[in-house]
Amino acid sequence: DTAVSQTPKYLVTQMGNDKSIKCEQNLGHDTMYWYKQDSKKFLKIMFSYNNKELIINETVPNRFSPKSPDKAHLNLHINSLELGDSAVYFCASSQTGISYGYTFGSGTRLTVV
Amino acid sequence: RKEVEQDPGPFNVPEGATVAFNCTYSNSASQSFFWYRQDCRKEPKLLMSVYSSGNEDGRFTAQLNRASQYISLLIRDSKLSDSATYLCVVVKGGGTSYGKLTFGQGTILTVHP
Repeated sequence: DTAVSQTPKYLVTQMGNDKSIKCEQNLGHDTMYWYKQDSKKFLKIMFSYNNKELIINETVPNRFSPKSPDKAHLNLHINSLELGDSAVYFCASSQTGISYGYTFGSGTRLTVV
Repeated sequence: RKEVEQDPGPFNVPEGATVAFNCTYSNSASQSFFWYRQDCRKEPKLLMSVYSSGNEDGRFTAQLNRASQYISLLIRDSKLSDSATYLCVVVKGGGTSYGKLTFGQGTILTVHP
């Protein structure tokens, strides 16, 4: 069983489209995250949810909207996709108070053309 | 100044070599420190935590110097399988920052026969 699973693995879409990425974890963690890794390989946090509540919202365009229906799921919806949104998006989860317990999903490679 | 800075390399070393990576962080409130490893087109995975007292895991030794805000990773007897990007990671404590991983840009290591 995959601990943190993301779908889709690859996503190629045109500028201006709206797309969603889904993430699910079966580790019983209470916190989930979205990270973005750009072409220069920098990994930066975008959002964090703890028990369905948004706790970290970095400077991310409001075209990006996370949704957490329950603590095992965190989805990312992106409106009006732009070329600069092309990146690898990683979902991760952890348990509050245990920083070393991060588990990352395998990533979604988004290409906007 | 970036919050976490690493020499991006690349480091090209022969099998059996000893190689050291360094990392500096700017926020003195940082409380937890890690080295992650990321293979090409894969997700980051925790390699080891870093403590002031230093810690060792087989061929890997990590060290933290809080006064200098400096973290190091030493790899002895390098193997071909050690080829990867090594990410220095810092976590600030307290408030809504808790659990947020701040990544360096990574140091690329290639071990050749």
